[in-house]
Amino acid sequence: QPVLTQPPSSSASPGESARLTCTLPSDISVDYYSIYWYQQKPGSPPRYLLYYSSDSDKGQGSGVPSRFSGSKDASANTGVLLISGLQSEDEADYYCMIWPSNAWVFGGGTKLTVL
Amino acid sequence: QMQLQESGPGLVKPSETLSLTCTVSGGSISSYSYYWGWIRQPPGKGLEWIATVYYTGSTYYNPSLRSRATISVDTSRNQFSLELNSVTAADTAVYYCARHSVAGDFWGQGTLVTVSS
Repeated sequence: QPVLTQPPSSSASPGESARLTCTLPSDISVDYYSIYWYQQKPGSPPRYLLYYSSDSDKGQGSGVPSRFSGSKDASANTGVLLISGLQSEDEADYYCMIWPSNAWVFGGGTKLTVL
Repeated sequence: QMQLQESGPGLVKPSETLSLTCTVSGGSISSYSYYWGWIRQPPGKGLEWIATVYYTGSTYYNPSLRSRATISVDTSRNQFSLELNSVTAADTAVYYCARHSVAGDFWGQGTLVTVSS
């Protein structure tokens, strides 16, 4: 099972953008996987936000604002979640996921603080 | 709108078997587009995948839990289930059932299972 690496914490101010990263192990290429992103607030289940494979293959979860978007940085073997126009309600834990061989593989999560 | 609802005991004794069922409503568990699975989250920790099942009965397990976990599907009841045997305190967690498709996931609300005597 591959392990996805996420920074434990990140912070930004309201109105700014937050860039959350999800790095794949060096032996698997981000080019081969869709990256899925979830948001989790205390006491609630993870909420599916979006997936990103390429600019022509991506999808937004139901009701998820367009200020949440995904991308990849192939040079860093990393998936990226960009949250623009940060709001206080965006303060939460964020998890990335890939789906290799019919398994959910998660990152350890990033706690985003909106200062 | 599809809904997934977990059910099962909230308290299990050490060394016994944890049994959970996920009831799917608002859609068919027999869709070729979906995979169904169990994921857990210990208090204050991250997400851990346990097992996946396809409506045909094909199963996939986290290698770290394979020896103790059994996932199954009942298409007639639109349900799938998890059994985890020989539980210890380390199995205390919120257990979620979920549906995966290439276009995204859908999760239940989760159920807390505490392992304690």
